Amino acid sequence: KAGVTQTPRYLIKTRGQQVTLSCSPISGHRSVSWYQQTPGQGLQFLFEYFSETQRNKGNFPGRFSGRQFSNSRSEMNVSTLELGDSALYLCASSRRGGSDSYEQYFGPGTRLTVT
Amino acid sequence: EDQVTQSPEALRLQEGESSSLNCSYTVSGLRGLFWYRQDPGKGPEFLFTLYSAGEEKEKERLKATLTKKESFLHITAPKPEDSATYLCAVQAAGQAGANNLFFGTGTRLTVIP
Repeated sequence: KAGVTQTPRYLIKTRGQQVTLSCSPISGHRSVSWYQQTPGQGLQFLFEYFSETQRNKGNFPGRFSGRQFSNSRSEMNVSTLELGDSALYLCASSRRGGSDSYEQYFGPGTRLTVT
Repeated sequence: EDQVTQSPEALRLQEGESSSLNCSYTVSGLRGLFWYRQDPGKGPEFLFTLYSAGEEKEKERLKATLTKKESFLHITAPKPEDSATYLCAVQAAGQAGANNLFFGTGTRLTVIP
């Protein structure tokens, strides 16, 4: 069974630009969550999408947004990039229904560097 | 406010030297406590979920336990390939519809041959 995939794996952008990251969940998983990981702050929750609807949002500015498609694939967008947005962006999928359904499985991440 | 504290921050063990990692948590209603392993440059790898105090789960050299305030990850006779950062996360049951994990900062384990 294929795991969570994320594209691209590495990205270099300039301040002020925008970026879109993509995530394909495990087959049958309908929930996709996004996290930002930095050395200083660790892993922090960005938002979760389930059935194409944002269900929960972390404490990040409105420059961070996302969406989910009918096939459960998700994209995350960051506009007006700042140097502090440099991080590893991780996507996690879960079944979200029934017992043991909240276990989240992570993809390899997208390493974003803002210069 | 939900809080997860992991200790120690870093741990160096000789191969075969057993030890435990600690995860203390404060959460408004625990839905689940999760342990992950993360290797450098990779995404976290799921290890265990614990749902209620007294629960224990094992996988190879790892054993996770849960009380009402903390969880331990016991590593028995570790090998160099167990070297990684171990992350603890909690999921709160209080917020309707919420599925997010709240992570600790991790314990960086190094096992020396």
